[in-house]
Amino acid sequence: QKEVEQNSGPLSVPEGAIASLNCTYSDRVSQSFFWYRQYSGKSPELIMSIYSNGDKEDGRFTAQLNKASQYVSLLIRDSQPSDSATYLCAVIKAAGNKLTFGGGTRVLVKP
Amino acid sequence: GAVVSQHPSWVICKSGTSVKIECRSLDFQATTMFWYRQFPKQSLMLMATSNEGSKATYEQGVEKDKFLINHASLTLSTLTVTSAHPEDSSFYICSARGLQDYGYTFGSGTRLTVV
Repeated sequence: QKEVEQNSGPLSVPEGAIASLNCTYSDRVSQSFFWYRQYSGKSPELIMSIYSNGDKEDGRFTAQLNKASQYVSLLIRDSQPSDSATYLCAVIKAAGNKLTFGGGTRVLVKP
Repeated sequence: GAVVSQHPSWVICKSGTSVKIECRSLDFQATTMFWYRQFPKQSLMLMATSNEGSKATYEQGVEKDKFLINHASLTLSTLTVTSAHPEDSSFYICSARGLQDYGYTFGSGTRLTVV
């Protein structure tokens, strides 16, 4: 079992719709969770971090964390073509400072 | 915000030569630097972690004698790919973490092509 798992996609959504991305992790004591966006040929850029159970909203993005289910998700509202990218879920285990990345989900927003 | 400058952005080298990649934290002290490698259509794989003034800690399967990491100051870390081969062609990305900022700041990446 991979430490951080994501559906590779592509997830195709029409412009203006909600894109829903999921991520599961294997280490139950993981404490910190991050969503990054990566455009082709570029390095990742942080979208959001979340540390507590529940929802966290930032603009069109909402991260949801459920530690009991070892599940973290990202919702992108009012999806735009510029949101087309690969979204990486990353986790920090309790005893450490290393980011472990999932394989990423490719999102395609069609006009 | 925190900025990490990574150079070069791309490099082509001949097989058997060495290539050095630099990452500089411009406005904060990078106590820890992480080096990743990313092959096409794959995710980031951590190669090594370095703390300023200490030897780097390499992930399993990463050859420390091939990928030399130096983190001699709080603002500069370098990765040297020694005796590069075509299979080392990849996208190399650094990420820095400082004491004051819990976040991880990524460099812009270096596309290495070994011919």
